[in-house]
Amino acid sequence: QTVVTQEPSLTVSPGGTVTLTCASSTGAVTSGYYPNWFQQKPGQAPRALIYSTSNKHSWTPARFSGSLLGGKAALTLSGVQPEDEAEYYCLLYYGGAHVFGGGTKLTVL
Amino acid sequence: QMQLVQSGPEVKKPGTSVKVSCKASGFTFTSSAMQWVRQARGQRLEWIGWIVVGSGNTNYAQKFQERVTITRDMSTSTAYMELSSLRSEDTAVYYCAAGLHTAMVTFWGQGTLVTVSS
Repeated sequence: QTVVTQEPSLTVSPGGTVTLTCASSTGAVTSGYYPNWFQQKPGQAPRALIYSTSNKHSWTPARFSGSLLGGKAALTLSGVQPEDEAEYYCLLYYGGAHVFGGGTKLTVL
Repeated sequence: QMQLVQSGPEVKKPGTSVKVSCKASGFTFTSSAMQWVRQARGQRLEWIGWIVVGSGNTNYAQKFQERVTITRDMSTSTAYMELSSLRSEDTAVYYCAAGLHTAMVTFWGQGTLVTVSS
């Protein structure tokens, strides 16, 4: 069974920079896994931020960026805002099937 | 404005089935792929399966293979997810989500709470 692992929690100060990662139990994450990233706030549906590793949707704030880093998918927030406090999920594509990561709870403090 | 509107909350008894609908508007439904995802209270998102709307091709997570059916009605721009043999562990919010292809998720429905209880 494939497992996708994210940091359970991270804390960042307002204005700071933080990188969330997404690892696969099958090995290095590549662009062929088409990493997607989502933000979810309590009581709300997820909102798409990034698709295909690094592509932003039209509504994605410029401070969010996606990349591959050290064999993992990564989501970097630069100049964090208080409203960025949320749960973040990655999604990897395994040739047909999707697997979500466990989510990272980002606290802005 | 792209929108996915899901059907209302459901309460079901164990062993029965539930069918959740997801009506699309504001984009070309026939050129999209529709995903279904669920989230139990306080838990992670869990992928259930997808359908390529134009072809009707489907793919399901192994965990749900025997119990789930995803369909679509192109005449009404609506996707459906039916889950059978319900058990208490199926209690969750069920989401539909859409994208241009099966590896991409662009936007989400508002979610449908399905409660399984005797």
